[in-house]
Amino acid sequence: DGGITQSPKYLFRKEGQNVTLSCEQNLNHDAMYWYRQDPGQGLRLIYYSQIVNDFQKGDIAEGYSVSREKKESFPLTVTSAQKNPTAFYLCASSIGGGGTDTQYFGPGTRLTVL
Amino acid sequence: DQQVKQNSPSLSVQEGRISILNCDYTNSMFDYFLWYKKYPAEGPTFLISISSIKDKNEDGRFTVFLNKSAKHLSLHIVPSQPGDSAVYFCAASAGNNNDMRFGAGTRLTVKP
Repeated sequence: DGGITQSPKYLFRKEGQNVTLSCEQNLNHDAMYWYRQDPGQGLRLIYYSQIVNDFQKGDIAEGYSVSREKKESFPLTVTSAQKNPTAFYLCASSIGGGGTDTQYFGPGTRLTVL
Repeated sequence: DQQVKQNSPSLSVQEGRISILNCDYTNSMFDYFLWYKKYPAEGPTFLISISSIKDKNEDGRFTVFLNKSAKHLSLHIVPSQPGDSAVYFCAASAGNNNDMRFGAGTRLTVKP
């Protein structure tokens, strides 16, 4: 089945540690995105990538890093510099980066910093 | 700044009745609007969209209305079914997906 997978579903991290969230898609989509969701707020864009080996900062990129070495994969690293990392993280992909290209979302990873 | 607002965090309706979910936006550059539906433990899934050149788009039980002058859109579900119980997100973009802005969501509960 085609889709987007994120792992793990739940992740716990000690303060000061970096952690990497996985996102894989087999939809052959060029564009991929990382969003963060906090209670009472809409999804906020962290990073996006329109094509392999290229990515751009979104609205809240500070404290995060990404890579796009393969079309299928767009991992997100939450670094110790992120002041408030506890949140629900969603990965998405779309066939292209145009505003009418439907984004398909993974199931999300809930990160809790202890 | 929240450019897309869903002012009702929750909505409860009886099965068979109409559900109306509302969304307001502030950016006049938005030209494409979408509704996503999210079940617990799953990612949001695309439900319906509308371009700014239209004021209505219908897909089965789901209809989205756009009022550009009021910067307001709404999603109508009729008749509502218990399986429609989910969180609904409104989203808007200004030409690129990296411009897309999401509302905070409205939790719809349809009671049997």
